[in-house]
Amino acid sequence: AQSVSQHNHHVILSEAASLELGCNYSYGGTVNLFWYVQYPGQHLQLLLKYFSGDPLVKGIKGFEAEFIKSKFSFNLRKPSVQWSDTAEYFCAVTSSGAGSYQLTFGKGTKLSVIP
Amino acid sequence: ETGVTQSPTHLIKTRGQQVTLRCSSQSGHNTVSWYQQALGQGPQFIFQYYREEENGRGNFPPRFSGLQFPNYSSELNVNALELDDSALYLCASSWGERETQYFGPGTRLLVL
Repeated sequence: AQSVSQHNHHVILSEAASLELGCNYSYGGTVNLFWYVQYPGQHLQLLLKYFSGDPLVKGIKGFEAEFIKSKFSFNLRKPSVQWSDTAEYFCAVTSSGAGSYQLTFGKGTKLSVIP
Repeated sequence: ETGVTQSPTHLIKTRGQQVTLRCSSQSGHNTVSWYQQALGQGPQFIFQYYREEENGRGNFPPRFSGLQFPNYSSELNVNALELDDSALYLCASSWGERETQYFGPGTRLLVL
């Protein structure tokens, strides 16, 4: 069974600081990887996704993530965070094999950005 | 383009009761997946419906059941509610069973 581990439960940063949120997954086959964000009071929104090709993926609002297959990792980065990035961030994986329709989520990382 | 909608937004039930949650998929999407998100946890997959057939199920008991209608909207039914069923229930739709899923706002269920 696949699983996703997010290393940080709560991250607190000042505005303009750089962000990196860790995500590791366990699955031996081909995977599709996602980062979703949940802003306070809003529903889960897709930030970015990786299916194949360039392992450096750019998403909305200046976020990017790098897929490192050898490390089973898909870390999320942003060079300079803003107060409006305060939210909960979820890494998720689905595999490309048969029966691979379900998203498996990590427990989430809460990001608080201090003005 | 209309996004994923869910109803009701909040619901309070007592233990042993039954509940039905509803989801309208995003325009053009034929697949609906349901997730349960307990407080402080990531969403957990309940099941998926693709063209009105259940297309996969997570580790949830049979008292969690669902339907998908010809217009691709969906219902999640939970029988014999337990206190641990208190959670945010999320619906996600996609164009195809393995495509990117887009989430609705969720229904928050409280079981007393």
